[in-house]
Amino acid sequence: GAGVSQSPSNKVTEKGKDVELRCDPISGHTALYWYRQSLGQGLEFLIYFQGNSAPDKSGLPSDRFSAERTGGSVSTLTIQRTQQEDSAVYLCASSYPWDSQPQHFGDGTRLSIL
Amino acid sequence: EDQVTQSPEALRLQEGESSSLNCSYTVSGLRGLFWYRQDPGKGPEFLFTLYSAGEEKEKERLKATLTKKESFLHITAPKPEDSATYLCAVQANAGNNRKLIWGLGTSLAVNP
Repeated sequence: GAGVSQSPSNKVTEKGKDVELRCDPISGHTALYWYRQSLGQGLEFLIYFQGNSAPDKSGLPSDRFSAERTGGSVSTLTIQRTQQEDSAVYLCASSYPWDSQPQHFGDGTRLSIL
Repeated sequence: EDQVTQSPEALRLQEGESSSLNCSYTVSGLRGLFWYRQDPGKGPEFLFTLYSAGEEKEKERLKATLTKKESFLHITAPKPEDSATYLCAVQANAGNNRKLIWGLGTSLAVNP
């Protein structure tokens, strides 16, 4: 079946611009995660959505970052007033809601801030 | 603080030369330990979940084992196509967001 789909695959933008990254999870997966992966660093948790519950935003690095999930499916991660330190690969994962279910990842969006 | 440490950072093997990758963890109650493979430009690909000490899982040339402090990923007679970064992650009992805590990975290169 179809895996997690992320778009765009690459995004280059100027410092100060806003960007939107999209994630389409696996059908039937009610849990959705955003991570950030920087060179030489492990995956960094950003935000978690589960069904209709309030999202866990504890990993968002600043108030410039926000995310929403519409209709329990597609999610959008928005970064406002981008900074050079925002350059990274942004990965989305989805899973079934039960404990210890493996998370399945998309191929990410590579974001470069000039 | 929950933490995951992987070693070595990088490993170069000859085709057919078996070896093991290590993942040491400290966590306040283990809900699950996960192994992933990541190829350049791709997202992590799920390999195994281990839940309790003594558990083992196998898939082709890979075998994952778990103790109370660490997990090993054994690679038997590797082939060049096994070259990738192998990532280990743990999910703790504390908290309910099910987020994974990740190691930095082991970059494996298998030469023909």
